[in-house]
Amino acid sequence: DIQMTQSPSSVSTSVGDRVTITCRASQDISSWLAWYQQKPGKAPKLLIYTASSLQSGVPSRFSGSGSGTDFTLTINSLQPEDFATYYCQQTNSFPITFGQGTRLEIK
Amino acid sequence: EVQLVESGGGLVKPGGSLRLSCTASKFTFSSFSMNWVRQGPGKGLEWVSSISDTSSYIYYADSVKGRFTISRDNAKNSLYLQMNSLTAEDTAVYYCARVSVGATFNYGMDVWGQGTTVTVSS
Repeated sequence: DIQMTQSPSSVSTSVGDRVTITCRASQDISSWLAWYQQKPGKAPKLLIYTASSLQSGVPSRFSGSGSGTDFTLTINSLQPEDFATYYCQQTNSFPITFGQGTRLEIK
Repeated sequence: EVQLVESGGGLVKPGGSLRLSCTASKFTFSSFSMNWVRQGPGKGLEWVSSISDTSSYIYYADSVKGRFTISRDNAKNSLYLQMNSLTAEDTAVYYCARVSVGATFNYGMDVWGQGTTVTVSS
């Protein structure tokens, strides 16, 4: 199975800041990586697919990059509604696996 | 609005069974592969099972293989998860989710239901 490791597990940051979340795969997954945002009590929301493609309707302050084993999600100019938990997911092969999540907290 | 609505969750005793349903609306259900993803209390997301558009391809997480069965009825726009031999470790919110591009699983999951809660406890 492909293990996905996110870092950091949590980060305290402020409105207007830029934040970067890292996701590392235990083996090469090409660009088959997605990022999700989840708020408490809500279903996850797809932000990025194929590592860098922005899902329709997602603000352009979200961006993704990387290929192979190392990936990043960057959020520019954080907005109050961005404080949530973020998950990466590999879709290269079954079993599909998620990272453990990164919680974005307001400083 | 494109929508998925889960139902069938509840409280069940260890060793018991439950069948979850997910009803799709406002999109051509038969053209999309589908998934079940769960989230235990205070935990992260865990993929459970996937089924292709025509049911030709089915996949399970090792944690549920042999106990859970995924199926779909395209005529009824519905996805199912039959869960048997349930244990406390199966306690979670269960989400159904649509793949974002047709039949392929590679492009993430773009439509999610609101989730249905399964609690396994004596």
